[in-house]
Amino acid sequence: GNSVTQMEGPVTLSEEAFLTINCTYTATGYPSLFWYVQYPGEGLQLLLKATKADDKGSNKGFEATYRKETTSFHLEKGSVQVSDSAVYFCALKRNTGNQFYFGTGTSLTVIP
Amino acid sequence: GAGVSQSPRYKVAKRGQDVALRCDPISGHVSLFWYQQALGQGPEFLTYFQNEAQLDKSGLPSDRFFAERPEGSVSTLKIQRTQQEDSAVYLCASQPYGPVRTDTQYFGPGTRLTVL
Repeated sequence: GNSVTQMEGPVTLSEEAFLTINCTYTATGYPSLFWYVQYPGEGLQLLLKATKADDKGSNKGFEATYRKETTSFHLEKGSVQVSDSAVYFCALKRNTGNQFYFGTGTSLTVIP
Repeated sequence: GAGVSQSPRYKVAKRGQDVALRCDPISGHVSLFWYQQALGQGPEFLTYFQNEAQLDKSGLPSDRFFAERPEGSVSTLKIQRTQQEDSAVYLCASQPYGPVRTDTQYFGPGTRLTVL
């Protein structure tokens, strides 16, 4: 089947710390991979995506590389800010069908 | 431009009541999705429309759930005889085209349904 497993939170970091949120997936075929972010009181927003193996998605200082050999799409940021505090969701969309399969989300709190 | 909007933002229902949740997708978007997000969980797929056609309703949890998009734009998710386990945030998302694997979906803010 299709599924996404995310590192459990909550995660608390100090400002300027390095962030990694692990994400692994199970899927048939060649899915596209996404990270969505949900800021407090807001809807899900696309953070970045990668559509084929070895692609790197990047946005707002966040990066994730589509690793087919390890079925992973870990999210990283070199220096987090207080404004990055949010819930982060890893998701896949398979090459047939149309819906997303989401992970359970990882809550990040960045303290000054 | 305008994003996906949903109404109401919050709904409290007594067990057994019927509810209707509305989604206004981004204008011109062909595909529309409904997801259910339980507390502390990721969104789970309910149903998918391409224009007015409901192409996939495999995620609807029971026959109490019904969705429609009669003119290919606004959609309504209806839940009949609500139960406490229906309490969740219901998310609507739209996508510009049909089944394109690489396409991003744009999410609305959600409707938080609480069934007492």
